[in-house]
Amino acid sequence: NAGVTQTPKFQVLKTGQSMTLQCAQDMNHEYMSWYRQDPGMGLRLIHYSVGAGITDQGEVPNGYNVSRSTTEDFPLRLLSAAPSQTSVYFCASSHDRGHETQYFGPGTRLLVL
Amino acid sequence: AQSVTQPDIHITVSEGASLELRCNYSYGATPYLFWYVQSPGQGLQLLLKYFSGDTLVQGIKGFEAEFKRSQSSFNLRKPSVHWSDAAEYFCAVVRGNMLTFGGGTRLMVKP
Repeated sequence: NAGVTQTPKFQVLKTGQSMTLQCAQDMNHEYMSWYRQDPGMGLRLIHYSVGAGITDQGEVPNGYNVSRSTTEDFPLRLLSAAPSQTSVYFCASSHDRGHETQYFGPGTRLLVL
Repeated sequence: AQSVTQPDIHITVSEGASLELRCNYSYGATPYLFWYVQSPGQGLQLLLKYFSGDTLVQGIKGFEAEFKRSQSSFNLRKPSVHWSDAAEYFCAVVRGNMLTFGGGTRLMVKP
């Protein structure tokens, strides 16, 4: 199993550009989530999904959209990037909701100029 | 409201010394608690978790944590630190469907 994969590893955007961060898992996990990591603030939940077709907001959802059309994929979209979205983004998955062990991807480092 | 607090941003210990990383939470009568570790440039890996039962839980890499309801704490310990333990450590608590993380403690290990 590849586990949780994320692409790209690193991206530079200009303010106002849009992009999609890709996340996929091959463990048949129902629960998937996106976090951003900023120094001193730990990881903050952006959006999560408890199954295909179901998504919900986390702690810091503004400026981000998600969809979950399949169990395997959970892309994160930045519609109009802002410098405040410069961060490291992690995707995670678990068998069931937030109570189970979450498996994290390697992260995407995003720089917005 | 902050659900998880890790009071120590940085900790430095000598190799072979004991380690305790502090975590305080403020959510739930019976919280689900986790410790994760992040090596430089990597994602997070689960060290251990507490759901119920015995308040002393054992994890991977020789780590353990003790849940103390009266103190709302879930401190991580290791009796003898190895240089490879240098990393950032995160405490987390489940809130509904969400996992909320503390700000992290960066551990440095002196030879």
